[in-house]
Amino acid sequence: EIVLTQSPATLSLSPGERATLSCRASQSVSSYLAWYQQKPGQAPRLLIYDASNRATGIPARFSGSGSGTDFTLTISSLEPEDFAVYYCQQRSNWPNTFGQGTKLEIK
Amino acid sequence: EVQLVESGGGLVQPGGSLRLSCAASGFTFSSYSMNWVRQAPGKGLEWVSYISSSSSTIYYADSVKGRFTISRDNAKNSLYLQMNSLRDEDTAVYYCARGSGILGYWGQGTLVTVSS
Repeated sequence: EIVLTQSPATLSLSPGERATLSCRASQSVSSYLAWYQQKPGQAPRLLIYDASNRATGIPARFSGSGSGTDFTLTISSLEPEDFAVYYCQQRSNWPNTFGQGTKLEIK
Repeated sequence: EVQLVESGGGLVQPGGSLRLSCAASGFTFSSYSMNWVRQAPGKGLEWVSYISSSSSTIYYADSVKGRFTISRDNAKNSLYLQMNSLRDEDTAVYYCARGSGILGYWGQGTLVTVSS
């Protein structure tokens, strides 16, 4: 099973700042990595798929990069609605696995 | 508009059974793979099971293998999860999600509580 490790566990930033979230895989997942956003009481929402492709309707301030074992989700300028928990997920191998999440909180 | 609506959750005793359903609308259900993903209270996401569009390919997480069974009825636009031999650690919100690896649409989830 591929283990995804996200860092940091919690990120405290202010609106307007740039956020950089990391996801590291225990073995190569090629570019088969997605990012999801989850707000309290809501289902997850797909942001990025295959490492760098924005899902439909996702604002351009969200971008993804990386391949192999190291991936980054960048939010260029934080909006108030971006404070949430973010998960990475790999679809390279079964079982598909998720990272443990990064909580992005308001500083 | 794509909609996924889960139902069937509730309180069940350890060792008991429960069947979850996911009603799909707004897309051609028979053309898409589907998944169940769960989230224990205050915890992260855990993928549970996958079924291909024709039911020819099925996968399970090791944590549920042999106890849970995924199925679908394309004529009824519905996805199911039969959960047997339930354990305390199966307590979670269960989501159905559309896609083969890329989970583009999710339902709102149904809560399963396993407790005596």
